[in-house]
Amino acid sequence: QKEVEQNSGPLSVPEGAIASLNCTYSDRGSQSFFWYRQYSGKSPELIMSIYSNGDKEDGRFTAQLNKASQYVSLLIRDSQPSDSATYLCAVIDSGGYQKVTFGTGTKLQVIP
Amino acid sequence: EPEVTQTPSHQVTQMGQEVILRCVPISNHLYFYWYRQILGQKVEFLVSFYNNEISEKSEIFDDQFSVERPDGSNFTLKIRSTKLEDSAMYFCASGQDTSTDTQYFGPGTRLTVL
Repeated sequence: QKEVEQNSGPLSVPEGAIASLNCTYSDRGSQSFFWYRQYSGKSPELIMSIYSNGDKEDGRFTAQLNKASQYVSLLIRDSQPSDSATYLCAVIDSGGYQKVTFGTGTKLQVIP
Repeated sequence: EPEVTQTPSHQVTQMGQEVILRCVPISNHLYFYWYRQILGQKVEFLVSFYNNEISEKSEIFDDQFSVERPDGSNFTLKIRSTKLEDSAMYFCASGQDTSTDTQYFGPGTRLTVL
């Protein structure tokens, strides 16, 4: 059973701070990793995708991938109250066919 | 910006009844998926569909479930005889190709089985 692990939180950060979200995965052969944001009662919304070791930046978001450690993280700079949501780590299983395993998500609360 | 749409937004049914959940994927996408999310739990993969056939399914996707692409635009999930535990949000997603791997989610259908 392939697993994606996240701390469920809540993670509380003050407005303007950096929020750091972490994820580990069990499938060593996985090559594609995603961060989704999910507001309560809504569908997952893609924030970032990352495929190579290292950092990938998009605006206030930076995804970090370390395949040797099987670790993915998401940094949110200058956190805003509107960033308050659950952040889902998702990993495409090795072996093809696009099966995605999601973590349980980390709830982020940005305090004004 | 193109988006995945789903209907209905909320479906209430009696246990044992059949339901069909409908999705219109993004028009140039080739890969289609169904996921479910039981309240308070994680998003779970049900099935992927490509080239008019199922490419992968999870252990959740048993004989009670089926998928179909009846025409060039719709993608449906049928649950033949609903159970109480089928109550969940069902999300459809689509992806353009394997090289990008990105899946775009629809807004979901909330299924309530009474």
